[in-house]
Amino acid sequence: DAKTTQPPSMDCAEGRAANLPCNHSTISGNEYVYWYRQIHSQGPQYIIHGLKNNETNEMASLIITEDRKSSTLILPHATLRDTAVYYCIVRVGGGTYKYIFGTGTRLKVLA
Amino acid sequence: GAVVSQHPSWVICKSGTSVKIECRSLDFQATTMFWYRQFPKQSLMLMATSNEGSKATYEQGVEKDKFLINHASLTLSTLTVTSAHPEDSSFYICSARSGTASPGNTIYFGEGSWLTVV
Repeated sequence: DAKTTQPPSMDCAEGRAANLPCNHSTISGNEYVYWYRQIHSQGPQYIIHGLKNNETNEMASLIITEDRKSSTLILPHATLRDTAVYYCIVRVGGGTYKYIFGTGTRLKVLA
Repeated sequence: GAVVSQHPSWVICKSGTSVKIECRSLDFQATTMFWYRQFPKQSLMLMATSNEGSKATYEQGVEKDKFLINHASLTLSTLTVTSAHPEDSSFYICSARSGTASPGNTIYFGEGSWLTVV
């Protein structure tokens, strides 16, 4: 079973920051939080991942709470092309570190 | 990021026939590959995990004799849907990871393959 919960959908105005929350209250000490997004009819695209510190790359920022039980993905200036389903994943450990997808958040960026 | 390619992007086959989908890691050696299927408006469901040179490990409820997975080299894994039926019509996606199974090792996904069984 997925170890994360996300709101099913969100809207964001174009040009504004999109803040996508994720709860992962059962996360273990060495488990990373990964974010992927899936644009319609394509394979998921890697966005960012982190362990405990906040992370930033050219696509997004990842803010992880101090207790690591939740995180927020931030798209600083959302565009229409950011409309997608965003998945927050905590990998299942024990050898192969499987990626189990939850239901994700369907982000719609509005013009 | 690393590139994973799937072929074909879409395929239509007749009921009762078998169809093979290839997954290639183009710029890295993939020690582990994962296969997923996705129905319309649903999330990805993990079908199996394959390690190069070993038998695939299937998730509960996935028929291993129906979905044959081969990971014969570090850059290629194949999924064969045997005796396909219309209910097997779905979007099949592979992903690949290089190196060892460590917590911070990212996996990358292919573009997906649409299978329609008529």
